[in-house]
Amino acid sequence: DAGVIQSPRHEVTEMGQEVTLRCKPISGHDYLFWYRQTMMRGLELLIYFNNNVPIDDSGMPEDRFSAKMPNASFSTLKIQPSEPRDSAVYFCASSPWITTSGSIYNEQFFGPGTRLTVL
Amino acid sequence: KNEVEQSPQNLTAQEGEFITINCSYSVGISALHWLQQHPGGGIVSLFMLSSGKKKHGRLIATINIQEKHSSLHITASHPRDSAVYICAVFNAGGTSYGKLTFGQGTILTVHP
Repeated sequence: DAGVIQSPRHEVTEMGQEVTLRCKPISGHDYLFWYRQTMMRGLELLIYFNNNVPIDDSGMPEDRFSAKMPNASFSTLKIQPSEPRDSAVYFCASSPWITTSGSIYNEQFFGPGTRLTVL
Repeated sequence: KNEVEQSPQNLTAQEGEFITINCSYSVGISALHWLQQHPGGGIVSLFMLSSGKKKHGRLIATINIQEKHSSLHITASHPRDSAVYICAVFNAGGTSYGKLTFGQGTILTVHP
């Protein structure tokens, strides 16, 4: 398997423009996660999906951010309008469903990230 | 106070040294993830563990659920081990299955 695929790898845009980040999870994985990483705040969960349904979007910073997962093999994270403070590396990760001894947790596999710069 | 605290934040070592990175957390967890991030690179999962100890090559991870503490050890460190090491925990219970809370990371530099 090619792993989690993200595109583009780098994006430079001007303030006010719409930005769309794309992610293809590993085939067969039930969960998809969007993260943002900055120097100041480290890694933060933005939103995650289970079987294409958004489960927890409490990390989405504001209404300018939206995420969709129209099918099991594709997800987008959109920022409209973009602002300089959105500059960060955005990671997508996917995971299978794993249970053991009654506990539920999932090893996550990360994509290479998209480095976004908003001027 | 963060739910997940790592120490030290920065660590410099000479090649061959034994290295320990610590992670303490304040919430109930299902499991803990150790991740590695190279400069300019992506994030790689090293270990996921919920009890005891795991070993992979020169890397060893331990966890003590009662003490809410985990350690990552690197034996015979090498310059290629230079990276950021991130501890992340899966919160137990609720409906947020698989949701990770991250530590701030430990920057490791190993000099030849």
